[in-house]
Parts: sequence; structure tokens; C-alpha cells
Amino acid sequence: AIQLTQSPSSLSASVGDRVTITCRASQGISGALAWYQQKPGKVPKLLIYDASTLVSGVPSRFSGSESGTDFTLTISSLQPEDFATYYCQHFNSYPYSFGQGTKLGI
Amino acid sequence: EVQVVESGGGLVEPGGSLRLSCVASGFTFNDYSMNWVRQAPGKGLEWVSAITSTGDYIYYADSVKGRFTISRDNAKNSLFLQMNSLRAEDTAVYYCARGAITFDYWGQGTLVTVSS
Repeated sequence: AIQLTQSPSSLSASVGDRVTITCRASQGISGALAWYQQKPGKVPKLLIYDASTLVSGVPSRFSGSESGTDFTLTISSLQPEDFATYYCQHFNSYPYSFGQGTKLGI
Repeated sequence: EVQVVESGGGLVEPGGSLRLSCVASGFTFNDYSMNWVRQAPGKGLEWVSAITSTGDYIYYADSVKGRFTISRDNAKNSLFLQMNSLRAEDTAVYYCARGAITFDYWGQGTLVTVSS
């Protein structure tokens, strides 16, 4: 099974900061990666799929990229509503899996 | 408006069984694959199982294979998860989520607690 390792596990930042979260796959997944945002007490929200395609309605400050088995989620200028936990998820083949999450705090 | 609503969670003893249900509305249910995803208290997300739109193909995480069974009733816009031989580590909020590759709509979840 493909494993996803996110780094860092937690991150402190300030409003206006540029933040990058990394997700490394244990083997090649051909860009089959998505990113989700989850706020406390809420369900996950899909942000990005196919490694870099933004879901309609998601602010353009969010972006995703791919380099081999390394994937990054970048928030160009943090807003107060962006403080949350972020998860990557692969859909290359079953069984699907999520990364362990990155908690983004103030 | 797309909605998915889970039910059936509760407290069960180790080794026991539970059947979760999910009712969907606001979209053509039989056009979509559906999934169960769980989240243990204070922990991350874990994909559990998926079923294709017609039910022809079914997939499980290794952690539940042989113990859990996913099914659907397209006539009733419903998804199910039969959970047997439950363990303490199955304690989690179980979400019903729509999608074949990514999960664009999620229910609010139903809590399953496995404890004696």
C-alpha cells in the first residue's frame, strides 16, 4: 500500500505569511493527489486535486505542485480563516490513504 | 443541495457488530462511487472502504478487510457499512463521502465507540 508522509506535523505562522506543507509518497503516484482542509468540529473540505488543480471557489492563494513523489501545498498569504489542519490523499490505486495531517496554528 | 446523512453509530462492546447507514440526496446517487472514511478522536483521516456506482467493485483498507462489508441500495439512495468483530481501535467518527477519486461531499459523521 502507498504511504503518504506529511511534514511538518505542526506549524506556527502569522497572518500574511507564506506557508508550505509537504506530502511525500512512498512510490510514484502520477500526480494522483488531493489536499483537504479541516477546521475543528467540521468535515474536511476538498481544496486541490490532481496535485495542482484548484477546486472551484477555493481562493487563489492556495496552490499545489508536484516534483516526483514530493507534493506541496502552498498558501501564499495566510488569512485568519486558513488556520486549520491540512491532509493530503492519494488516489493512484486502492487502497487509498491520507497523510497524517499538518496542523497550522497561530 | 447535496446532502449525505449518516446514522447507526453508538457504543458497542469489543467483538460486537454495528451497521452504519448513509442516506444521500440532491444528486443522482447511482452515478457516483461512495466511500466510508473514519477519524479516531483527535487523530487523522483514514480511508476505510469504497464501492462503485453499480456496486460491482468494492475495496477495503487492510485494517478492516474481512471484518467490514460495504454495500449500497441505489433504489433507496443509501450506503451501508456492516462492521463485525469490532475492536477498540475502530473507535472513530465514520463519514460517508462521495467520489471515485476525491471526496467532494461529506456527511457530518456518526460516532462509533468500541468499549466494554
